[in-house]
Amino acid sequence: DQQVKQNSPSLSVQEGRISILNCDYTNSMFDYFLWYKKYPAEGPTFLISISSIKDKNEDGRFTVFLNKSAKHLSLHIVPSQPGDSAVYFCAAGPGRSGGSNYKLTFGKGTLLTVNP
Amino acid sequence: EPEVTQTPSHQVTQMGQEVILRCVPISNHLYFYWYRQILGQKVEFLVSFYNNEISEKSEIFDDQFSVERPDGSNFTLKIRSTKLEDSAMYFCATAVGLGLSSYEQYFGPGTRLTVT
Repeated sequence: DQQVKQNSPSLSVQEGRISILNCDYTNSMFDYFLWYKKYPAEGPTFLISISSIKDKNEDGRFTVFLNKSAKHLSLHIVPSQPGDSAVYFCAAGPGRSGGSNYKLTFGKGTLLTVNP
Repeated sequence: EPEVTQTPSHQVTQMGQEVILRCVPISNHLYFYWYRQILGQKVEFLVSFYNNEISEKSEIFDDQFSVERPDGSNFTLKIRSTKLEDSAMYFCATAVGLGLSSYEQYFGPGTRLTVT
């Protein structure tokens, strides 16, 4: 059951360049999408989110893009910094009409390595 | 900055034993969750808890699992008779409970449960 897919297990970029992390989903009931960052031995940390009524949300160096027709979202990090090296999880939640209690469905994660 | 705390950080138990994992949520948060991550796999939803009752649970959350908030502060996950396949990292998450921001869940550092 892979309702949220992150097809790239890892990504390596140079410091200062753009990192683009991708995520696809299959469940059309998903209405809210989030990116979490996770360092080893820590819990996931909320990074940025987007509602399905928007196609872009920006917060500092982080921008999330949503293409609802393609069921695809991406996280752009510009410029990338070595401290951004972590596992990035895409997560999704159905709207209230989906009977949700805000539970999140996660992808498997992408390990981002930013090289100095 | 307020944070979710979890104890213990690591629990080793024998198969068939009961374990209780504890979480202290952020004080003004109203929604509570347990997720788990088996090594190498994705983070999976177990249960959500609101207004002192379970609001949703996954197929994983069978009769061996229970949750409660016994004293209004701690939020616990009990596994009555552990199995080898229960070995995983268990994350507690909490959310403030105001509309869509309830998706923006704050995770604790996790408890690593090892069943031998």
